[in-house]
Amino acid sequence: DAGVTQSPTHLIKTRGQQVTLRCSPKSGHDTVSWYQQALGQGPQFIFQYYEEEERQRGNFPDRFSGHQFPNYSSELNVNALLLGDSALYLCASSSGGNSPLHFGNGTRLTVT
Amino acid sequence: QKEVEQNSGPLSVPEGAIASLNCTYSDRGSQSFFWYRQYSGKSPELIMSIYSNGDKEDGRFTAQLNKASQYVSLLIRDSQPSDSATYLCAEGDNTDKLIFGTGTRLQVFP
Repeated sequence: DAGVTQSPTHLIKTRGQQVTLRCSPKSGHDTVSWYQQALGQGPQFIFQYYEEEERQRGNFPDRFSGHQFPNYSSELNVNALLLGDSALYLCASSSGGNSPLHFGNGTRLTVT
Repeated sequence: QKEVEQNSGPLSVPEGAIASLNCTYSDRGSQSFFWYRQYSGKSPELIMSIYSNGDKEDGRFTAQLNKASQYVSLLIRDSQPSDSATYLCAEGDNTDKLIFGTGTRLQVFP
């Protein structure tokens, strides 16, 4: 049973560029959430997708957008990258109703 | 604004001792609480979930929840060097959104 998979594992981008990160949820999970984790901090909620719609959003600017596909996989897009966007981006899936989140291995994004 | 607070540590304990990690939260309406372990450079891994007041035990781990005092704790018995990691406390609502603390770094020395 495959867990949550994310790609790529590492990415280096230049300020102003755009990036797309991908996530496939754990089998049986229909809800995908994205988190940003800066060094030494806990994960911060970006947004959550359910039934191909953004269900809720954290305190992140519109430069951060996403999508969920019919097979429940998801993408996170970040436009106009800033140095401060450098972080570990975590995808988590769940099956609803207070169920625990299962995290992927993350994508380490470095913006230079 | 919901908040989860943890002491960043490091908490240093000798091998074989009990490690006690604590967490407080601000939202009295929170229904679910989770402890995740995160090794350096890796993603968080679920250790325990707790939803009701009291204790919940799983192997060497015991989670304790006190909703009246708004705190959650994690006890690790017979601590091992392999337990050295950052432990993240999180509170949830009924939409699968989690609010995380900054984590407590645990060091278990031989």
